[in-house]
Amino acid sequence: AQSVTQPDIHITVSEGASLELRCNYSYGATPYLFWYVQSPGQGLQLLLKYFSGDTLVQGIKGFEAEFKRSQSSFNLRKPSVHWSDAAEYFCAVGFLDAGNMLTFGGGTRLMVKP
Amino acid sequence: GAVVSQHPSWVICKSGTSVKIECRSLDFQATTMFWYRQFPKQSLMLMATSNEGSKATYEQGVEKDKFLINHASLTLSTLTVTSAHPEDSSFYICSARSLAGANYNEQFFGPGTRLTVL
Repeated sequence: AQSVTQPDIHITVSEGASLELRCNYSYGATPYLFWYVQSPGQGLQLLLKYFSGDTLVQGIKGFEAEFKRSQSSFNLRKPSVHWSDAAEYFCAVGFLDAGNMLTFGGGTRLMVKP
Repeated sequence: GAVVSQHPSWVICKSGTSVKIECRSLDFQATTMFWYRQFPKQSLMLMATSNEGSKATYEQGVEKDKFLINHASLTLSTLTVTSAHPEDSSFYICSARSLAGANYNEQFFGPGTRLTVL
């Protein structure tokens, strides 16, 4: 069965610093890959997605992610974090042959220091 | 485009009562919707896949008689938590899968429904 791992449960960065959130998946083929952000008590907002093509994808709010097939990773990055980026971030994988049913990672809670 | 709504956004009920949560795709048709459950400080766990016009597919460990799913139209799926108990208190999130254009096969999430069972 497929699985998604986000190794970092909590991350704290200073405002203006760069950010990288890790995501690894386990599956035999190339899945669809997503990053979502969730503010407290809210639903999920899609930051970016990878289906195929260029392995570096740009998303909203200045986020980007890079798919590395050899490492089965899809890490999320942002060059300069803003206080409003504090939230929970979820990596997810979907598989076309399963109707794009999503499997979520455990999430990484980002805190931003002033 | 591709907006999904949920109603209610927050519900408190007494133990033993049933609660219905609605998930609507507002500007697209969705033959498939998904229901997730999220406990505090945890990730989303898929409960079931709701298919328009047919029975829902439940994930292992999810009681289908407790969590009734109806997907009667291409824009509406409902989740009914029957005889709710305090352990059913959770954040329930739905998503709808789009088959249209640039959003093909992408899931769009509702804002969630917080259920508290007293």
